[in-house]
Amino acid sequence: NAGVTQTPKFQVLKTGQSMTLQCAQDMNHEYMSWYRQDPGMGLRLIHYSVGAGITDQGEVPNGYNVSRSTTEDFPLRLLSAAPSQTSVYFCASSYSIVGKRGYEQYFGPGTRLTVT
Amino acid sequence: GIQVEQSPPDLILQEGANSTLRCNFSDSVNNLQWFHQNPWGQLINLFYIPSGTKQNGRLSATTVATERYSLLYISSSQTTDSGVYFCAVEGETSGSRLTFGEGTQLTVNP
Repeated sequence: NAGVTQTPKFQVLKTGQSMTLQCAQDMNHEYMSWYRQDPGMGLRLIHYSVGAGITDQGEVPNGYNVSRSTTEDFPLRLLSAAPSQTSVYFCASSYSIVGKRGYEQYFGPGTRLTVT
Repeated sequence: GIQVEQSPPDLILQEGANSTLRCNFSDSVNNLQWFHQNPWGQLINLFYIPSGTKQNGRLSATTVATERYSLLYISSSQTTDSGVYFCAVEGETSGSRLTFGEGTQLTVNP
């Protein structure tokens, strides 16, 4: 298994540009999520999905869109990049069974994004 | 939402020393994980430990869920242990969402 993969590893954008960060997992996990990590801080949740076709907002969703058309993929879209979105972005996945919680989460290697 | 506090924020050790990192959380949890973020930014799963004690080589962790804290022990530290250690919890009412602490920056000097 490749686990959780993310592309690209690095990206530089100009203010106002749009782009999509890709995340894929091959573990048949229902739950997927996106976090951002700013310097000197822990990770903060942007959006998450409990299954194909179902998404919801996390702690810091403004400026980002997500969709989940398949179990494997969970792309994160920046609609109009701003310097405040300069950060490292991590994707994660885990099992999710209705009525049960607390499964271990697995993280991808991250995408380092700079917006100038 | 659930609050997570880690201590100490910074820790400097000589190689070979032992250390204990602490994670306090404000509510009951379904999941607690410890991660090591290496100098290249990669997040490495250390332990999945919502309760009890686990050991993996020189590292061990204990979570006392009823008292809302977890401890990460590093014995005989090595320079490769340097980096940031994060505790992350999933509260009982959080769905599957993890809340991260701000981390402990560990520096191990040769």
